[in-house]
Amino acid sequence: DAKTTQPPSMDCAEGRAANLPCNHSTISGNEYVYWYRQIHSQGPQYIIHGLKNNETNEMASLIITEDRKSSTLILPHATLRDTAVYYCIVRVANNAGNNRKLIWGLGTSLAVNP
Amino acid sequence: DAGVIQSPRHEVTEMGQEVTLRCKPISGHNSLFWYRQTMMRGLELLIYFNNNVPIDDSGMPEDRFSAKMPNASFSTLKIQPSEPRDSAVYFCASSTTGGYQPQHFGDGTRLSIL
Repeated sequence: DAKTTQPPSMDCAEGRAANLPCNHSTISGNEYVYWYRQIHSQGPQYIIHGLKNNETNEMASLIITEDRKSSTLILPHATLRDTAVYYCIVRVANNAGNNRKLIWGLGTSLAVNP
Repeated sequence: DAGVIQSPRHEVTEMGQEVTLRCKPISGHNSLFWYRQTMMRGLELLIYFNNNVPIDDSGMPEDRFSAKMPNASFSTLKIQPSEPRDSAVYFCASSTTGGYQPQHFGDGTRLSIL
């Protein structure tokens, strides 16, 4: 699976958009980009995923560059509860019945400040 | 809906003792994952099951660790004998099989071996 590179930490003001970048320059054509977050003392929480089109759900938006070598997770109106470590992961989607494992990096620690 | 349920939430025991961690996946999910998280190594996959069958146990540290999934609604991770370096947070996650289905995590078991 492709490796990802994320900044170790970021700050964001409450109510503003948080834009979290991720580089995955060795991504393959069939690898999806996933984002999870982990709030202190909790298990990781799935946020969103995408292949090559931009995606949006109730939690966030995912923007993937045309060459797919990088992506950005956008939290449109960050709140204090969005303070967490955000993980960007690439994983092959295997429809043969075997889930491929996720390789977790160290993520970005996002601090949302009042 | 009930999420992934792990027990106990906290476990403190002396080295050499047997430790058993338990996990109940989300109903209908047929893939189950055991992870370990430490400050030094981050989140590591230990083993995962598809339809109760172990698929990849390459992350299991050594023979002291074993995992079972006797049925679709229950799994255990056992450490015998336990050592202080096994101290970590252990997470269980589940998902449906195939494609790009995200993993859903429990809140973990915080294990301390004295």
